[in-house]
Amino acid sequence: QVQLQESGPGLVKPSETLSLTCAVSGVSISSSNWWSWIRQPPGMGLEWIGEISDSGTTVYNPSLKSRVTVSVDKINNQFSLKLSSVTAADTALYYCARKTKGEGRSVDCWGQGTQVTVSS
Amino acid sequence: IQLTQSPSFLSASVGDRVTITCRASQGISSYLAWYQQKPGKAPKLLIYAASALQSGVPSRFSGSGSGTEFTLTISSLQPEDFATYYCQQLNSYPLTFGGGTKVEIK
Repeated sequence: QVQLQESGPGLVKPSETLSLTCAVSGVSISSSNWWSWIRQPPGMGLEWIGEISDSGTTVYNPSLKSRVTVSVDKINNQFSLKLSSVTAADTALYYCARKTKGEGRSVDCWGQGTQVTVSS
Repeated sequence: IQLTQSPSFLSASVGDRVTITCRASQGISSYLAWYQQKPGKAPKLLIYAASALQSGVPSRFSGSGSGTEFTLTISSLQPEDFATYYCQQLNSYPLTFGGGTKVEIK
C-alpha cells in the first residue's frame, strides 16, 4: 500500500524559504512515476506546483518557477520541496502526491497535507 | 490550459442523478481526471483517462468526453457523495485543475 507523508515547519516568515519533505512508503521512489507537489490556499482550489520524475527530470509551474526546487533523496525514499522568498500568498495546505505515467496518467495517491502559514 | 467547471455549486437530494461539466480551453484528448475532496481530507482519484473508473470507486460514478468537453456523472447520489469535485488536465504542462464543484444536500 503506497503512502505519502508530508513534514516540515507549519510557520514560515515572509521572505524566507519554505522547506517540506514527503516520505514515501510502499513503493520505491525510483519506480516509474512522477512525484508531485500540489497546494490549496484556504477555502480555494488546487494548484499544481511542480514534480520530479524517477529519472530526475523536474517540471515546475511557470507562475512559481523562479522560486521552486523539487528534489529526490533516493537513500531515504523521499522527495522535497523548497519555495523561496515566500509571502502571505504562499499560505496554503501543501500536498505531496504520486502521478502515474502513460496514457492513463493521474494523481492516484496523495499525502494527508500539511498546513503552511506565512507570517511574521 | 484553463479548465472551467460548471456548476460551481450544486444542491441535490439523495438518489438524484448529478452531472458536472468540465470544459478545457484547448483540446486535451482524454487526459482528464476527476477527484473528490471532502472537508479536511486530501483529494481522492475517481476517474482517469476521462472515463476509466479508479479501482475501488463505486460504479455510480462515471466519466465521459474527449477533446474539450467532459462530464462526471453520479447516477444516484449517496450521502457520502456530498463533497467538492475537481477535474484536472494531464495533457500538457503546467498541469491545471478546474475551480471545483461543491455538491451539497438539498
